Amino acid sequence: GENVEQHPSTLSVQEGDSAVIKCTYSDSASNYFPWYKQELGKRPQLIIDIRSNVGEKKDQRIAVTLNKTAKHFSLHITETQPEDSAVYFCAASKGTYKYIFGTGTRLKVLA
Amino acid sequence: DGGITQSPKYLFRKEGQNVTLSCEQNLNHDAMYWYRQDPGQGLRLIYYSQIVNDFQKGDIAEGYSVSREKKESFPLTVTSAQKNPTAFYLCASTQGDTQYFGPGTRLTVL
Repeated sequence: GENVEQHPSTLSVQEGDSAVIKCTYSDSASNYFPWYKQELGKRPQLIIDIRSNVGEKKDQRIAVTLNKTAKHFSLHITETQPEDSAVYFCAASKGTYKYIFGTGTRLKVLA
Repeated sequence: DGGITQSPKYLFRKEGQNVTLSCEQNLNHDAMYWYRQDPGQGLRLIYYSQIVNDFQKGDIAEGYSVSREKKESFPLTVTSAQKNPTAFYLCASTQGDTQYFGPGTRLTVL
């Protein structure tokens, strides 16, 4: 069935370093790939998204890349700050209103 | 996503009781969703509804029921048939491709 694999499950980086989280999806018909940030006890918040007709998208310190051939997409956070510490989820959708979420990555930014 | 509200924030249930979680949105979104999140886990889809008076089962619908009588409301009932209901429940609605989440309800079974 449809699934999204997300790695790593935990990631610790020093403040100022970069962080990369990777996801792989199974359904080649997927065409929309959002990333959410969830702080402890709070709702997931959309931080960036990418559609299948685009290879890369940037928003300040955050970027997402998509490799449709390999069915991979990745989140890149540069110049990490303590407030970037959270759980990050990727998801894949093919426009049927249904998202398939990854299992999440707990990012810790060490001051 | 400030236009999606869930109540209550915390809910305690005794075994054998049904409870209903509220989800309301004033964003005029057509599609609404319920997810369950267990500690350290991802989001699992319980039910979703694309239009009023229509809804579909997600991946873990057993022990849950929903209704969609109004566009702005999508309540979730956790029945006594759900054997392990303690979790964080998130409601979401969709504008285009993008899902926006409510603040969540934490349900604990005593």
